[in-house]
Amino acid sequence: GAVVSQHPSWVICKSGTSVKIECRSLDFQATTMFWYRQFPKQSLMLMATSNEGSKATYEQGVEKDKFLINHASLTLSTLTVTSAHPEDSSFYICSARDSRGGLTQYFGPGTRLTVL
Amino acid sequence: AQRVTQPEKLLSVFKGAPVELKCNYSYSGSPELFWYVQYSRQRLQLLLRHISRESIKGFTADLNKGETSFHLKKPFAQEEDSAMYYCALAGGTSYGKLTFGQGTILTVHP
Repeated sequence: GAVVSQHPSWVICKSGTSVKIECRSLDFQATTMFWYRQFPKQSLMLMATSNEGSKATYEQGVEKDKFLINHASLTLSTLTVTSAHPEDSSFYICSARDSRGGLTQYFGPGTRLTVL
Repeated sequence: AQRVTQPEKLLSVFKGAPVELKCNYSYSGSPELFWYVQYSRQRLQLLLRHISRESIKGFTADLNKGETSFHLKKPFAQEEDSAMYYCALAGGTSYGKLTFGQGTILTVHP
């Protein structure tokens, strides 16, 4: 149980284009999902907290207009990297908390974004 | 502010030796602490959490509020334990966001 999927697992795009990453909770409902960024051999950096039916809460230093988050249902959150640039290349990971309670987060497998 | 510190970036032990991965935290309230593990080319997965007081794969961790520590221990390390280990804290903030330590890469040699 508690499986989180991400799609795509990897994506390559040209500079200036937008990329959408999906995060789904497969066997539970998630009122709250989280988006992280991970650099090679480094820890996870929280980008934003995604709440179903309301606006996302962004961490300090994360550009809201660049990283658009939509949490339209209890099982799906999307992260759109707009006007991507090479410096946006990274590993993006989502996690989800079960709506039934508890603070445990279940993580997706991550999405490798490469911007050329 | 909440903070998690894992002082060792790298830790190497031989198979069968005891292992301890250190984690210290800073938080003014009552935190909920976790250990997550990331095996090579796999997703981050929950190893254990302090409220469960459980032992997973032979690992245990005890919350020491006096020392503000949550060290992860295993009496006899196995090669398959080689992985990146993250200590994380969920404070009383809204939505329970996690603060991660920098991670410790554990290598267990045969």
